[in-house]
Amino acid sequence: KAGVTQTPRYLIKTRGQQVTLSCSPISGHRSVSWYQQTPGQGLQFLFEYFSETQRNKGNFPGRFSGRQFSNSRSEMNVSTLELGDSALYLCASSLNTGTSYEQYFGPGTRLTVT
Amino acid sequence: AQTVTQSQPEMSVQEAETVTLSCTYDTSESDYYLFWYKQPPSRQMILVIRQEAYKQQNATENRFSVNFQKAAKSFSLKISDSQLGDAAMYFCAYRMTQGAQKLVFGQGTRLTINP
Repeated sequence: KAGVTQTPRYLIKTRGQQVTLSCSPISGHRSVSWYQQTPGQGLQFLFEYFSETQRNKGNFPGRFSGRQFSNSRSEMNVSTLELGDSALYLCASSLNTGTSYEQYFGPGTRLTVT
Repeated sequence: AQTVTQSQPEMSVQEAETVTLSCTYDTSESDYYLFWYKQPPSRQMILVIRQEAYKQQNATENRFSVNFQKAAKSFSLKISDSQLGDAAMYFCAYRMTQGAQKLVFGQGTRLTINP
């Protein structure tokens, strides 16, 4: 079974632009979570989607948004990019929501904002 | 809010020896999950081991075991017979039993294996 895939793997954007990152979960998985990883702040939870609904959101500004499609694929969008948005964005999928289900991580998308 | 603290930014160990990584956490919940994740240079997060707070028995996965001290809110990872492939960042993480799949991570410990 294929793992979690994220596209693109690397991205360079200019301050003020917007960006969309994509995550395809493991087949059959319905929950997708997003995390931001930076050297300064570490790993921080962005949001979780389940059945096309956002279930929980971390402490990030409204410039960060996401959505989930009927096939469970998820996208996250960052508008008006700032230099501080440079980070590794990790996506994780699980079979279902609820904490008894394991999360499997993708390889991440490395975003650089210049 | 729950917090997870890893007090050792870096650790090193000789190949084939044993190393213990420390983790403490803070929560007012009585039931929760704790995890250790490994992040090698490829950046892919890999689940190493998980512990359910209501279980008193310490979890074990091959060469990896934990020492879970619920009262002390401590959750250390012991790696036995260290191998070169164990070199990575190790993250301790917490998750509530209720609600969404939100993991709260510690800052990580970089483990180096010396041949």
